[in-house]
Amino acid sequence: QTVVTQEPSFSVSPGGTVTLTCGLSSGSSSTGYHPTWYQQTPGQAPRTLIYNTNTRSSGVPDRFSGSILGNKAALTITGAQADDESDYYCGLYMGSGISVFGGGTKLTVL
Amino acid sequence: EVQLLESGGGLVQPGGSLRLSCTVSGFTFRDYAMTWVRQAPGKGLEWVSAISGGGGDTFYADSVKGRFTISRDNSKNTLYLQMNSLRAEDTAVYYCANRNYYLLHWGQGTLVTVSS
Repeated sequence: QTVVTQEPSFSVSPGGTVTLTCGLSSGSSSTGYHPTWYQQTPGQAPRTLIYNTNTRSSGVPDRFSGSILGNKAALTITGAQADDESDYYCGLYMGSGISVFGGGTKLTVL
Repeated sequence: EVQLLESGGGLVQPGGSLRLSCTVSGFTFRDYAMTWVRQAPGKGLEWVSAISGGGGDTFYADSVKGRFTISRDNSKNTLYLQMNSLRAEDTAVYYCANRNYYLLHWGQGTLVTVSS
């Protein structure tokens, strides 16, 4: 069974830069998997930040960027702000209509 | 403005059934695949099911295959999830979202609680 891996937690200082990653238990999470990043704050619905590896969703600040680093999809936040403190999930399209989410990364800004 | 609104959640006993609906506006519904995602209390996101724009192709997570049925009525701009043989582990907030390779817009979710 395919497992999508994310760091369980990460911490960044206000104004700092952080890179979250999204990997596959077998193989690499390349652009063919349409890596997508979602942000979720407690009690709220997820919000799509980045889709198709590096396309920012409408209204998403340009301090959020997506890329492939090595064999993993990556979300970089440059100049982190207090309200970036959220859970971040990556999603990968596995083909045959099936998608899988990672377990999420809890980002703390302090 | 794209809007998705889920409804139909509630409390149901184990073994029971429930039908969720997701009514959309702001985009041409029939042109896009749609997806259901759920989130158990305190847990992460779980992909549940997806359907093609025309409704002819459907896809399910192994955890719900054979119990849940996804469908859509393009004349009503509405997506459905028929949930049968519900189990305690199906307790979650259920979200609908548009697209399937990636999910672009999300509804606010509807809570399904399976308990006796």
